[in-house]
Amino acid sequence: NAGVTQTPKFRVLKTGQSMTLLCAQDMNHEYMYWYRQDPGMGLRLIHYSVGEGTTAKGEVPDGYNVSRLKKQNFLLGLESAAPSQTSVYFCASHLSFTDTQYFGPGTRLTVL
Amino acid sequence: KQEVTQIPAALSVPEGENLVLNCSFTDSAIYNLQWFRQDPGKGLTSLLLIQSSQREQTSGRLNASLDKSSGRSTLYIAASQPGDSATYLCAVRSDYKLSFGAGTTVTVRA
Repeated sequence: NAGVTQTPKFRVLKTGQSMTLLCAQDMNHEYMYWYRQDPGMGLRLIHYSVGEGTTAKGEVPDGYNVSRLKKQNFLLGLESAAPSQTSVYFCASHLSFTDTQYFGPGTRLTVL
Repeated sequence: KQEVTQIPAALSVPEGENLVLNCSFTDSAIYNLQWFRQDPGKGLTSLLLIQSSQREQTSGRLNASLDKSSGRSTLYIAASQPGDSATYLCAVRSDYKLSFGAGTTVTVRA
């Protein structure tokens, strides 16, 4: 099993550009999450999904959109990137509330 | 709202010493508590998962305890090694969401 994978690993954008981050898991997990991690701010939840076709807002959803068209994939989109979105983005997934949550390796995004 | 606190924020010990990392949370209505390790520039690796009905979990040199009623968990790492240097994060699940502490950064000196 590859576990949780994220694409790309690194990306540099200019202000106003758009991009999509892809998260994929091969563990048949129902729950998937997108977090951002910033120095001094810890991990903050952006959006999450409780199953295929569902999405919901987390703590810091503004400026981001998500889609979960297939159970194994969770996409995070930035429509118009801003320097404040410079961060490390992590995807995570788990099967149920009593199971371990697994994290991907992260995507380091810089917005100039 | 669940608040998770980790003390100390940083810890430096000589190799061979036992490590004790503390985590406290404000709402005892939890499903479980998870300890993670994060190396610089890397993702989070799950170390131990303790269900709300359990008192402790062990894996090798790692032992984690949970006292749900008092809102506390402790991670013990026996006979520390330089390879244990990392940031350790505690996270509590109350529902769909994991609430994270800010982490304890550990340095083990050779």
